[in-house]
Amino acid sequence: AQSVSQHNHHVILSEAASLELGCNYSYGGTVNLFWYVQYPGQHLQLLLKYFSGDPLVKGIKGFEAEFIKSKFSFNLRKPSVQWSDTAEYFCAVNARSSGTYKYIFGTGTRLKVLA
Amino acid sequence: GAVVSQHPSRVICKSGTSVKIECRSLDFQATTMFWYRQFPKQSLMLMATSNEGSKATYEQGVEKDKFLINHASLTLSTLTVTSAHPEDSSFYICSARDAHAGPRSYEQYFGPGTRLTVT
Repeated sequence: AQSVSQHNHHVILSEAASLELGCNYSYGGTVNLFWYVQYPGQHLQLLLKYFSGDPLVKGIKGFEAEFIKSKFSFNLRKPSVQWSDTAEYFCAVNARSSGTYKYIFGTGTRLKVLA
Repeated sequence: GAVVSQHPSRVICKSGTSVKIECRSLDFQATTMFWYRQFPKQSLMLMATSNEGSKATYEQGVEKDKFLINHASLTLSTLTVTSAHPEDSSFYICSARDAHAGPRSYEQYFGPGTRLTVT
């Protein structure tokens, strides 16, 4: 069965620290990969996405992610986090299942950035 | 562009009553919409795929008679929680896929969610 794993459930960092959130997926075919952010009390917002081409994808707010096909991974990175990055981050895979493309979400990583 | 709205944003209902949640694509046509449920501090779980003009496809374990989905137009899908119980209290989120987005038509745009509380 298709699945998405986010191994870090809770991450606490100080401002200016570097961030890397892991995401691994289980699916043998072509996938489209996404990272979403959910700020407290708000709805999902797209951070970045990968469809094809350059495996290093740059998104909004200084985030980037690298698709490593051989490792089935799509890790999210940011060189220097800010207090405002405190939020929950979801990795998602969009893959074909039963004739339609469906999103499968990871369990999420709750990031807290200390000022 | 690609805005999805949900109404209402919050609803409180009594146990045994039914509640309807609307999901609208505001500036694009969506032949396919999706309904998710998010429990506190957990991820989004896909409940069903809503197809315009046809029956919804439900994920395993989701009761189709309890969660009625109607996708009567290219911009509107509704989720009706019938005979609601406290355990149905949750955050319900819809998303929509742009039917005319070409190769990117599999990308989904998410609504802001509806918080349902059943007392």
